[in-house]
Amino acid sequence: AQTVTQSQPEMSVQEAETVTLSCTYDTSESDYYLFWYKQPPSRQMILVIRQEAYKQQNATENRFSVNFQKAAKSFSLKISDSQLGDAAMYFCAYRSYNTGTASKLTFGTGTRLQVTL
Amino acid sequence: EAGVTQFPSHSVIEKGQTVTLRCDPISGHDNLYWYRRVMGKEIKFLLHFVKESKQDESGMPNNRFLAERTGGTYSTLKVQPAELEDSGVYFCASSQASDRRNTIYFGEGSWLTVV
Repeated sequence: AQTVTQSQPEMSVQEAETVTLSCTYDTSESDYYLFWYKQPPSRQMILVIRQEAYKQQNATENRFSVNFQKAAKSFSLKISDSQLGDAAMYFCAYRSYNTGTASKLTFGTGTRLQVTL
Repeated sequence: EAGVTQFPSHSVIEKGQTVTLRCDPISGHDNLYWYRRVMGKEIKFLLHFVKESKQDESGMPNNRFLAERTGGTYSTLKVQPAELEDSGVYFCASSQASDRRNTIYFGEGSWLTVV
């Protein structure tokens, strides 16, 4: 079974600064997806960024980028130029590439990010 | 386009009572999922519907939980009788079967407190 670990329960960053959220995972599969989801207070959880394991290039979405280290099973999220609206709970998640189990996301425990002025 | 909607947003019930959570997926999404987050822990998969059929219910904790999706539209998750350990946030999510990337869209969650 796959596991996802987020070792930082809370993080804080000043506005306009850069912060990195850590995520490690364990799997015996070679093909899979990794995700970062964001849930602002009382809002829907939304997909921030996705990484396919077969792609060596790190995914980027505007101010959000990942550092995907497949051999180390590490998938960190970097937020550049942090904004107040980035304050949220961030969840790292794993999904198998195999269609039989493609439905199931395995999540970490989350990291609460505070953004200060 | 409306997103995934869940009702109620918050519910406080006594141990032994029954609660029914409802989820309306995005229109046209055949895949519907239920997840749960107990406070301070990870979000855990409960089950997956494809239309009205249960594709995977391996995450359902016990037989006090009953999920239905009659007609393949909205879904309900009933907890009967509720226990203290059932407290948490219940997330519903949906995705489109024809979406090769299977992007999953989540609702805001239903917060359940059992006292």
